[in-house]
Amino acid sequence: GNSVTQMEGPVTLSEEAFLTINCTYTATGYPSLFWYVQYPGEGLQLLLKATKADDKGSNKGFEATYRKETTSFHLEKGSVQVSDSAVYFCALSDNDYKLSFGAGTTVTVRA
Amino acid sequence: DAGVIQSPRHEVTEMGQEVTLRCKPISGHNSLFWYRQTMMRGLELLIYFNNNVPIDDSGMPEDRFSAKMPNASFSTLKIQPSEPRDSAVYFCASSLTRGGGEKLFFGSGTQLSVL
Repeated sequence: GNSVTQMEGPVTLSEEAFLTINCTYTATGYPSLFWYVQYPGEGLQLLLKATKADDKGSNKGFEATYRKETTSFHLEKGSVQVSDSAVYFCALSDNDYKLSFGAGTTVTVRA
Repeated sequence: DAGVIQSPRHEVTEMGQEVTLRCKPISGHNSLFWYRQTMMRGLELLIYFNNNVPIDDSGMPEDRFSAKMPNASFSTLKIQPSEPRDSAVYFCASSLTRGGGEKLFFGSGTQLSVL
């Protein structure tokens, strides 16, 4: 079956630090890959996505590249801000509706 | 648009009581999802509706859980009787297309505590 494994948190960083959250997946087909973000007290919202190998998703300074050879989709941001404090979820979908989520990684950015 | 609206935001109840969670999807969206989030199991898909019809309820934990979607603008998730292990955050999400994925919009969730 499909599964997503994320780097365990929590992660605590200083402002302007570099952020990486590792994500690897197992899937039978050729899934689409996603990063969702959950800010405190809110629901999840899509941060970025990639639908095929070597695609790079990007949004709000975050990037992730779909690596089929390493079955990975690591999330990166070069310079984090306090407002990036949130829980980040890696997810995959290999059909038209079912998302498999990772456990989530809590990121706290200190001023 | 107001987004996906869930109520209540918080629910505290005693074991054995009936609990009803409510969701109003984004107008025009034809797919609706109920998820449960716990520390132990993360995010789990409970049930998926398309055009008000349940398509996949394989994630519903047991017969104590039921979900309905009587029309395109309203859905309920009912737990009866509730048990302490049902304590979790329950999210409703909606989607414009038959698929979810990148077009999934989540509500703010209902924090359920069963004592």
